[in-house]
Amino acid sequence: QSVLTQPPSVSAAPGQTITISCSGTSSNIGTNFVSWYQHVPGAAPKLLIYDTNNRASGTPDRVSGSKSGTSATLDISGLQTGDEADYYCGAWDTRLSVYVFGAGTKVTVL
Amino acid sequence: DVQLVESGGGLVQPGGSLRLACAISGFRFSNYAIHWVRQAPGKGLEFVSVISGNGYDSYYADSVKGRFTISRDKSKNMLFLEMGSLRLEDTGRYFCARVGPYYGLDYWGQGTVVTVSS
Repeated sequence: QSVLTQPPSVSAAPGQTITISCSGTSSNIGTNFVSWYQHVPGAAPKLLIYDTNNRASGTPDRVSGSKSGTSATLDISGLQTGDEADYYCGAWDTRLSVYVFGAGTKVTVL
Repeated sequence: DVQLVESGGGLVQPGGSLRLACAISGFRFSNYAIHWVRQAPGKGLEFVSVISGNGYDSYYADSVKGRFTISRDKSKNMLFLEMGSLRLEDTGRYFCARVGPYYGLDYWGQGTVVTVSS
C-alpha cells in the first residue's frame, strides 16, 4: 500500500479537464516538495511538475499543480490523446527517510 | 546533454546477486543526489535507494535494506547498485534518476530489467 493515495484511474473526453488528487501526511506532502511524473509504459518517466506548481522544462501550461495541507492536485486541461499515460505524485518523507510515490493514476482519453 | 544510462540487468536465481550500473554524463556528478527507482511488472514506481551528491549519505527502502548497497565512483561518473539475496519480488525495471531543484527527479535513464526466477 502506497504512502501517497491517488485514484487508480481517471478518464475524460478530448478537450476536457481532469484532476488527479494525491493525499499524504504531514511528514511528506505537508512539509516537503511535491512532484508529479508522467510515465508511458516502456519509456522513462518524465518530470512534469516540481515544488508543487512549477512546470518542468517542456511541460505545457495546460498542466498545473497545487497543494493544500497534506494533499496535492494535478490538473490537465484541454486533454489530448497524447496525455494518455500513468501519472505519479512523489515527495520525500521526513519520518520514513525515503522518497514516496503514489500508486499511480492511469489517464484514459475517451 | 544530461544523460543517465543503466546497465547490468539480467536473469538471476533467487538468492543470487547482481550489480547495476548507471553511467552519468552532461552534469557535475558531485552536485546532485541520484536515485534508484524500480517498477515491478504491472505495478507502480517504487523508491529503492538514494545517494547524496558527496556520497556520504544514503537511504534505502525497507524492502531492500540490508540486501542492496548504493555507491558512486566520482572518477568514472558511475553510480552502482549492488543487489544481494535477490527475491522474486525484486523483479522489475530499474531506473536511475537525478534529483533536481526542489527534489524533483528531473532526468531519468531508460532503465535496465532485472528478472529473478528459478
